[in-house]
Amino acid sequence: KQEVTQIPAALSVPEGENLVLNCSFTDSAIYNLQWFRQDPGKGLTSLLLIQSSQREQTSGRLNASLDKSSGRSTLYIAASQPGDSATYLCAVRLNYQYTDKLIFGTGTRLQVFP
Amino acid sequence: DAMVIQNPRYQVTQFGKPVTLSCSQTLNHNVMYWYQQKSSQAPKLLFHYYDKDFNNEADTPDNFQSRRPNTSFCFLDIRSPGLGDAAMYLCATSKPTSGGYTDTQYFGPGTRLTVL
Repeated sequence: KQEVTQIPAALSVPEGENLVLNCSFTDSAIYNLQWFRQDPGKGLTSLLLIQSSQREQTSGRLNASLDKSSGRSTLYIAASQPGDSATYLCAVRLNYQYTDKLIFGTGTRLQVFP
Repeated sequence: DAMVIQNPRYQVTQFGKPVTLSCSQTLNHNVMYWYQQKSSQAPKLLFHYYDKDFNNEADTPDNFQSRRPNTSFCFLDIRSPGLGDAAMYLCATSKPTSGGYTDTQYFGPGTRLTVL
């Protein structure tokens, strides 16, 4: 059974710091891995999607890496801003044909203070 | 803008009183999903539709049902809500890629359900 864990559960940092959020998964047979952002009381916004054949994806100040063999992904946030404050969730898509199931981690709650 | 819309955003119901949550999409995606997210927990897939084909997760209680009358709309029915069903309910959509798998999922803003 696939399990997804995110460390740390919460993080509070001053503005301008570079951050690393961690995601680990127990079964390396994944199709892709996705990072989402969730603002309080809101839905999920997709940030980055990494296919199983890829090593990393970048979007602006965000960089996500994937090491399938070790069951790990990291989300790197450069030069953090107060507007980055949110919960960040990673989710893996299982590599079984015709399944569309995402397995989510419980998230890292990030607070960036001025 | 193309989007996933959920109504209502907040729903209060009484213990045991049936409730229906609504999701609509303008993305014309084939696949629609319903997730349950309890406070400080990960979203958990309840079921999804691939076109008209319904796919129920094995651990989804019978109390939860779904309908998809057309491509654009999908409903979540909770027949007899219990206190433990209070949660955020998230709807998402996706479309198939050329390989038969689906692309990234696009989420609506969610409906927060309170059970009194």
